[in-house]
Amino acid sequence: TQLLEQSPQFLSIQEGENLTVYCNSSSVFSSLQWYRQEPGEGPVLLVTVVTGGEVKKLKRLTFQFGDARKDSSLHITAAQPGDTGLYLCAGADLREDQRDPYIQGAQKLVFGQGTRLTINP
Amino acid sequence: NAGVTQTPKFQVLKTGQSMTLQCAQDMNHEYMSWYRQDPGMGLRLIHYSVGAGITDQGEVPNGYNVSRSTTEDFPLRLLSAAPSQTSVYFCASSPTGHNTDTQYFGPGTRLTVL
Repeated sequence: TQLLEQSPQFLSIQEGENLTVYCNSSSVFSSLQWYRQEPGEGPVLLVTVVTGGEVKKLKRLTFQFGDARKDSSLHITAAQPGDTGLYLCAGADLREDQRDPYIQGAQKLVFGQGTRLTINP
Repeated sequence: NAGVTQTPKFQVLKTGQSMTLQCAQDMNHEYMSWYRQDPGMGLRLIHYSVGAGITDQGEVPNGYNVSRSTTEDFPLRLLSAAPSQTSVYFCASSPTGHNTDTQYFGPGTRLTVL
């Protein structure tokens, strides 16, 4: 079973500070996604990275996929209270062991434990 | 578009009871999946489907059954509930299930088994 380890699990910082969340694995993923989840709701996709070394920016959020496609990071610049939430990374595992071509190519996400981020005003 | 809908939102069961968690999507997505979310463990894949009539097991399938008779619906059945199945359950869908697809999650069902 592939595992994704997120760190830190909890982070509480002041508004305006910068922060980085890490997502690490010993396994290679075909792609990696970052989600944000609010209390009582389902996760919402922020970004998908596919190529090793890829960097994507979403306003103050910068996402990077490791060169070997085993790890990823999320960096937030000048954090704001609206950034508060649970951040989840998820790696896509292609089912190469499946003979059925439909199932073989199907997305099978492995999630990290999540990072609960609190930005204090 | 309602997106992904789940019912019920909350449910309490006694050990040994059975129930079905409903999931429906109106986006004509081929791929649907069920996850459970437990504290400190992120989301874990239970079962998924790549289209009507095609399902496969995920990481934690024991104690759960699924079927996919239509594109829109993907119910999750608990045949004999156990306290270990107390969790929040999320249904998700994506257009094709390709590894770069956006997965759209429902609002979740919070299940307690006594």
